[in-house]
Amino acid sequence: KQEVTQIPAALSVPEGENLVLNCSFTDSAIYNLQWFRQDPGKGLTSLLLIQSSQREQTSGRLNASLDKSSGRSTLYIAASQPGDSATYLCAVWMDSSYKLIFGSGTRLLVRP
Amino acid sequence: KAGVTQTPRYLIKTRGQQVTLSCSPISGHRSVSWYQQTPGQGLQFLFEYFSETQRNKGNFPGRFSGRQFSNSRSEMNVSTLELGDSALYLCASSLVGSYNEQFFGPGTRLTVL
Repeated sequence: KQEVTQIPAALSVPEGENLVLNCSFTDSAIYNLQWFRQDPGKGLTSLLLIQSSQREQTSGRLNASLDKSSGRSTLYIAASQPGDSATYLCAVWMDSSYKLIFGSGTRLLVRP
Repeated sequence: KAGVTQTPRYLIKTRGQQVTLSCSPISGHRSVSWYQQTPGQGLQFLFEYFSETQRNKGNFPGRFSGRQFSNSRSEMNVSTLELGDSALYLCASSLVGSYNEQFFGPGTRLTVL
């Protein structure tokens, strides 16, 4: 059974710092991995999608990497800003499962 | 292009009642999925529909049901509401479901009193 874990559960950093969020999964037979952002009481905003054949994806100040063999993904946020404060969720898509399996998220606070 | 829309945004019901939530996917998307989010359990998969067919269902009781219409819009129904059904219900759409990027709506906040 696939399990997705995100560490740390919460993170507080000063503005301008570069940071890394971690996501691990137990079954490496994933088809893709997606990172989301969720603001309090809101829906999920898709940040990056990495196909299993890819090693990384970049969008602006965000860079996500994927290492299927070790069951890990990281989300790198460069030059963090207070507006980056949110909960970040990773989710994996298993082949033929037609569903995303989510981690519990990392709650990020960027202090001005 | 308009995003995923969900109605209503907020609902307050009492135990024993039933509720219907609606989701309109992004134009051209044929797959719609539903998730329940609670502080204790996180995000849990309810079901996924593609071309009016349910392809997968999560581990929820039969009180939770859904359907998809020919225009890809989807509804989910919860009957005999329980206090534990209070949650944020999120709908996601994608082109064909398999392997595609999932786009989520703003959610429906259901409170059961």
